[in-house]
Amino acid sequence: GQQVMQIPQYQHVQEGEDFTTYCNSSTTLSNIQWYKQRPGGHPVFLIQLVKSGEVKKQKRLTFQFGEAKKNSSLHITATQTTDVGTYFCAGIIYGQNFVFGPGTRLSVLP
Amino acid sequence: GAVVSQHPSRVICKSGTSVKIECRSLDFQATTMFWYRQFPKQSLMLMATSNEGSKATYEQGVEKDKFLINHASLTLSTLTVTSAHPEDSSFYICSAGLGQGWDTQYFGPGTRLTVL
Repeated sequence: GQQVMQIPQYQHVQEGEDFTTYCNSSTTLSNIQWYKQRPGGHPVFLIQLVKSGEVKKQKRLTFQFGEAKKNSSLHITATQTTDVGTYFCAGIIYGQNFVFGPGTRLSVLP
Repeated sequence: GAVVSQHPSRVICKSGTSVKIECRSLDFQATTMFWYRQFPKQSLMLMATSNEGSKATYEQGVEKDKFLINHASLTLSTLTVTSAHPEDSSFYICSAGLGQGWDTQYFGPGTRLTVL
C-alpha cells in the first residue's frame, strides 16, 4: 500500500542549532501537508504544498516539495525550546486517502 | 480561526460497554470530518471519513460494526466504540476541514479512551 516515511525518527539538538526532517513517499503525491504536535497536544496544521518544487517559508521554518512530488522537507533555522514536538508530514495521493508519516520527534536542549 | 471540539476529553469504561465520542466544529460547517486513532508515540492512523447525511467511509482494517460513525449535522460527528475491549484503549482524534475532501484540517483536542 501507499507509504509515507519520515527520517529521522528522533532528533535532539542544542538550542540555536538547525533541524531538518525529511518526508518520502512511495507514490507521487497531489499535495503534502505538515503538522506539529506538541507533547500531550493535538496536531496543528502548519502548511500545505501543492506545486512541484514549491518552497514556502514561515519565519524560521522552510518547507520544500520535491520536483517529483514524492518527497518534502521541513527545515527549522536556529531552533528554540518552543519548537519541541513531533512534526508529521501527511501525503495526499491523487483521488485517494490521506496518509500520515510516522513523525519526527524533536527535542531542543536549552 | 476554525475550532473543533471533542467530548469527552477522557473516558474510562469497563470492557463490554459502549462509548460515544462527539466531535463538533464550533464556528464553521464541515461537510466532511475525519476520525483518527493514535497509539502512544505513534503517528495518526485514519480510521474513517465521516460524511454528513451519508454513511461513513472506513479505511481498510477498521471494523465498521465496532466503530460506529454518525454525522448527523454539518457541525457534529460522533464515533461510538461498541463492546469496548482493552485493546481499543487509545487516543481518538477527529478533524474537520473548511472545504471539500482533504483541505486544511483542523484537529480536535482528542479523547483518551481507557478500557478496563
